[in-house]
Amino acid sequence: LAKTTQPISMDSYEGQEVNITCSHNNIATNDYITWYQQFPSQGPRFIIQGYKTKVTNEVASLFIPADRKSSTLSLPRVSLSDTAVYYCLVGSTGGSYIPTFGRGTSLIVHP
Amino acid sequence: NAGVTQTPKFQVLKTGQSMTLQCAQDMNHNSMYWYRQDPGMGLRLIYYSASEGTTDKGEVPNGYNVSRLNKREFSLRLESAAPSQTSVYFCASSDTTHTEAFFGQGTRLTVV
Repeated sequence: LAKTTQPISMDSYEGQEVNITCSHNNIATNDYITWYQQFPSQGPRFIIQGYKTKVTNEVASLFIPADRKSSTLSLPRVSLSDTAVYYCLVGSTGGSYIPTFGRGTSLIVHP
Repeated sequence: NAGVTQTPKFQVLKTGQSMTLQCAQDMNHNSMYWYRQDPGMGLRLIYYSASEGTTDKGEVPNGYNVSRLNKREFSLRLESAAPSQTSVYFCASSDTTHTEAFFGQGTRLTVV
């Protein structure tokens, strides 16, 4: 399984854009990049998934360069409610897929 | 649509007691997983089931057993609880054609 590396923590202020970068140097050809969000006392929740270039949904954008060795989760205009831990995962679909979580990035949004 | 349901939400056990954590999903997913999460840590995989009738060990299986009762249900059993098993336990499920996993709300277990 491709290993991911992301910052342990980040701080931001309300209204700012937050970019969290994840490194996955050993990503395989069939692997997708998936990001989850976890609030305290809750299970992780899927945010966004991509394979290459850019993906955008109502919550976030995901930027993936051509070499796919890293990815950046972008949260536009964060609010206090975006304070959470964000996890970057890589893996391919199929019966052998096992979501493997690292320690994630703890984002704290300040007023 | 309930998604993934875990019971109980909270539990306190004495050292040596046994208990079973229940998990059920209503999304017709093939794969189900059990994780534990300790304070300040990510989720660590205990056991998983890629399909009904199969189970495999994850990263931290010692002290646990699992049963994939049917496609919907995947239970986790602690035969003789130890204080080191104090943690929050999450059950999850996913479809084999997608990498999105759905998680339950967790079971907070304390072993004294």
